[in-house]
Amino acid sequence: DAMVIQNPRYQVTQFGKPVTLSCSQTLNHNVMYWYQQKSSQAPKLLFHYYDKDFNNEADTPDNFQSRRPNTSFCFLDIRSPGLGDAAMYLCATSRDGGLPGNEQFFGPGTRLTVL
Amino acid sequence: AQRVTQPEKLLSVFKGAPVELKCNYSYSGSPELFWYVQYSRQRLQLLLRHISRESIKGFTADLNKGETSFHLKKPFAQEEDSAMYYCALSPNTGGFKTIFGAGTRLFVKA
Repeated sequence: DAMVIQNPRYQVTQFGKPVTLSCSQTLNHNVMYWYQQKSSQAPKLLFHYYDKDFNNEADTPDNFQSRRPNTSFCFLDIRSPGLGDAAMYLCATSRDGGLPGNEQFFGPGTRLTVL
Repeated sequence: AQRVTQPEKLLSVFKGAPVELKCNYSYSGSPELFWYVQYSRQRLQLLLRHISRESIKGFTADLNKGETSFHLKKPFAQEEDSAMYYCALSPNTGGFKTIFGAGTRLFVKA
């Protein structure tokens, strides 16, 4: 089945130790997103890629970076995780169908714990 | 500011009762509105979108521009409807930004 895969599902890191979260997709969608979701809060868009074009949200901290080496893979790098970065990180994809607002397909998420 | 508000964190109804999950938005233009659902141990997925004007699993949602609302309704709730529901907005200006509400957990009791 075509899908969005996130690895690992659970990630534990230490305060200040760089960490990378991975997302891959078999949908061949041209848009990929990273969201941060803290407990009982809305998923918050960090950035998205349209093909190779990177689009950062204005309020995304510099501590968060992303890479998309090819259509299938997208990575979220947290350079120096703080305790406040503990959250669920959701990857999503969509296809640019030329209409405003596109259905997004989500991965299962990676829960990040910062010790 | 663009914002989506879901005033209820938790909604509990009995099986067979009508259910309405409220969603209000703040946006100066004409947005596209969505409802996403997350069942237990499953990933977030699209339930329905305003532009399609369709009923999915018995759920409907009507965009009320005057009240800036997009409430989700179902006349007879089923136990399998128990899930987390998120209302979401995409600005109708191109681009791919989507703004989510904080979600409402629906619990349908037998």
